[in-house]
Amino acid sequence: EVQLVESGGDLVQPGGSLRLSCAASGFIFRNYAISWVRQAPGKGPEWVAGISGSGGATYYADSVKGRFTVSRDHSGNTVYLRMNSLRAEDTAIYYCAKVSVLAPERVSGYFDFWGQGTLVTVSS
Amino acid sequence: DIQMTQSPSSLSASVGDRVSFTCRASLGISKYLAWYQQKSGKAPKLLIFAASTLQSGVPSRFSGNGSGTVFTLTISSLQPEDVATYYCQNYNSAFGSFGQGTTLEIK
Repeated sequence: EVQLVESGGDLVQPGGSLRLSCAASGFIFRNYAISWVRQAPGKGPEWVAGISGSGGATYYADSVKGRFTVSRDHSGNTVYLRMNSLRAEDTAIYYCAKVSVLAPERVSGYFDFWGQGTLVTVSS
Repeated sequence: DIQMTQSPSSLSASVGDRVSFTCRASLGISKYLAWYQQKSGKAPKLLIFAASTLQSGVPSRFSGNGSGTVFTLTISSLQPEDVATYYCQNYNSAFGSFGQGTTLEIK
């Protein structure tokens, strides 16, 4: 059974940093891209960042480029999102989502499994 | 970036009704379009991919259509458990953008 479990969400002050984790199980981790998707209160989902199965390719939304870094640890089957210089507009539930296509070098695709989300609140 | 626009923003219908939502892409995306259902407090759930392919386990009352810039999601006979917000997503690039959603309620 595929499972994605996010953790690391917290209340942080503007300008602060946070690292989110996404623990994956139930599939061959290195074969599938993972993305981070966030959802602000009352808003639609917003794709934030993605990393290929091999870890060799990463992409970021313009809204987070230069501030967020996505990485993956194959030994622990975990994907991370390091968030720096956080702003109030980064407040959201952050989901990790598995791309459906078996393609280690690809990032794009639709999401067949999602985690339960972790809440990030940026406020003073 | 490709913008996804959904209409209507909300919809109220009766059990048993046929309902349809529309999603428009600002540029052609062939059939790289997915639909998700999100119930209150839950993560989105994949319903349809490649514009018209039903995800395994999704009831057959859901169907999708379209290509290029205009797509539709149809529920042939609305059920109480279909109350949710529905989102479209284009995935023709790594920058997969979502629409703002259509919220479906029961009359």
